Amino acid sequence: EAGVTQSPTHLIKTRGQQATLRCSPISGHTSVYWYQQALGLGLQFLLWYDEGEERNRGNFPPRFSGRQFPNYSSELNVNALELEDSALYLCASSPMGHYEQYFGPGTRLTVT
Amino acid sequence: KQEVTQIPAALSVPEGENLVLNCSFTDSAIYNLQWFRQDPGKGLTSLLLIQSSQREQTSGRLNASLDKSSGRSTLYIAASQPGDSATYLCAAPLGANSKLTFGKGITLSVRP
Repeated sequence: EAGVTQSPTHLIKTRGQQATLRCSPISGHTSVYWYQQALGLGLQFLLWYDEGEERNRGNFPPRFSGRQFPNYSSELNVNALELEDSALYLCASSPMGHYEQYFGPGTRLTVT
Repeated sequence: KQEVTQIPAALSVPEGENLVLNCSFTDSAIYNLQWFRQDPGKGLTSLLLIQSSQREQTSGRLNASLDKSSGRSTLYIAASQPGDSATYLCAAPLGANSKLTFGKGITLSVRP
């Protein structure tokens, strides 16, 4: 069974640009979670999508947004990139009504 | 608000030693607790999930315990090996929103 996949592996952008990160959950999983792991700050919850709806949002500005598609894959968009957005972005998935989360390998975003 | 703490931040032990990694949380109303392993620059690998109704879980050389009343979980690693060197994170979801609150992790180094 394939695990959670994320693309791209690495992304380099300049300040002010937009970044789009993608995540494909494990087959049969309906929930997708996004987390940010910035150096020195630990893992912070960003967004949770389930059945195409945004269910919860962490303490991040509105320029962090996303969506979940009918096939349950998800996109994270970060607009007006700032230097401090440089981080490892991790996606996780879980089956509906189940709390164990399975993580992908992450996308390393570097903002210069 | 749930807070998860892992102390110390780093640990160095000689190969073969049995060791215990600690995790504490402030809100005992957790649904479960997960332990993860993270290698440098990589995603998270789920090691063990303990449901709130359980006291412990075992997988190979790993044993995790959960004491909700004291707000503590421990990860026991038997006969440590250099390949166990990694960062170990604990995380707990609070309530029905399913987001995980992470500790900052313990970076373990096992010396040959």
